[in-house]
Formats: sequence, structure tokens, C-alpha cells
Amino acid sequence: QKEVEQDPGPLSVPEGAIVSLNCTYSNSAFQYFMWYRQYSRKGPELLMYTYSSGNKEDGRFTAQVDKSSKYISLFIRDSQPSDSATYLCAMRKGGSQGNLIFGKGTKLSVKP
Amino acid sequence: GAGVSQSPRYKVAKRGQDVALRCDPISGHVSLFWYQQALGQGPEFLTYFQNEAQLDKSGLPSDRFFAERPEGSVSTLKIQRTQQEDSAVYLCASSTDRGPGTGELFFGEGSRLTVL
Repeated sequence: QKEVEQDPGPLSVPEGAIVSLNCTYSNSAFQYFMWYRQYSRKGPELLMYTYSSGNKEDGRFTAQVDKSSKYISLFIRDSQPSDSATYLCAMRKGGSQGNLIFGKGTKLSVKP
Repeated sequence: GAGVSQSPRYKVAKRGQDVALRCDPISGHVSLFWYQQALGQGPEFLTYFQNEAQLDKSGLPSDRFFAERPEGSVSTLKIQRTQQEDSAVYLCASSTDRGPGTGELFFGEGSRLTVL
């Protein structure tokens, strides 16, 4: 079992829909949780960053972390065709700027 | 430049050839990471530098992989005697070193290696 599990999709939704993406993990030492967006043939770019449990909102994006369930989510409201990309969850243990562990990525397509 | 620059963007190598991939991080960024991203997978950690010091190379898959950052800026990932399973996108990322867990990684567009 990998440390971070993410359903690769693909996920196809109509424009304006609410999108829910999620990851589960097995290592309770993870404390920093991120969501990256990766467009085709581009590098990942950071969308959301959360420390420990809780919610964080930024515009149409909301990130949730539930450490008790080892489950993180990203919600996208009023989805747009420009949101079509692969979304990668990533996490890191505390205590050092060590390496990120990424999920496999979920490919999202928002249809106009 | 404003972002992380990687070259070449695309590289085709015959099995057994050596390749060198270059990363030019954002100016002033202390930390530099190399990741390998196979098709349909998330990036997997290869190695990490803080300035010129290679602090973690635990992700390098074999001794055919070698990375250096001699002056603490530009980094080169070298793969010797390439094999088909080395085909992947090699991503470089850099970050400021602002303390534990706080450095955002800025990724380059990657070098796509195809080994025939």
C-alpha cells in the first residue's frame, strides 16, 4: 500500500459544478498538506497549503484536512473549463523541509 | 528568469546512452529538488540539495543516477547507461529555506526523457 492514495479518475463534470477531490494517507507523521495543479506538459503549481487539521478557503477553492481519518479533500466551486487539469495531493512530515510525497493525481475535465 | 528553467525539454536517448538534464532554479533559492514523474503517476522524490550540499539522495533508483549542484545554483541530473524504465518526466523544483515545512516548491516544466 502506498503512503498516499488518490483516485486517478478521470473525472468529468459540467461547467459550474462543485468538484470534490480527495486523498487518503497512512502515515500519521504527515503534518503539511498541499494541493498542486498540473496542466498538460507543465510542472505542478501550488494551489493550497494547510498545516495540520482544519479548513482553508481561497476563492473558489477549499481544502480540508481530517487527520483523525487521514483524509484530505479539495473542493472547487463553480468549476470552469480552465480548471481542467490534473490535481495532485502532496504531504510532508513535520520537523524538516524534507521531500514531499505525492498522490497519483486526479485528472479533471470541466466541460463547457 | 522568473521561474525554474529546465533543459532540454525533450530528450530521446538510445538504451545505453548517458544523458544530462539541467536545472536553473529561481535566483536566491537555497533548496533544490529533483523528482521523477512516470506517465500517469505523481512525482516521486529523487534527491534534495541545500545550497551545494546534497542532503538527501534516498530516492535515486540506482547508482546510474547522479546529481550535482557544485556552486549552489544550477544543478545537473545525470543518468548513465539509460534503460527503458528511465523514461519519464524529470522535474526540478526550488524553494526558499524559510524554516521547517514552510518552503513552497516552485517547479519547472520538466525534461521529458524517452529511452528507445
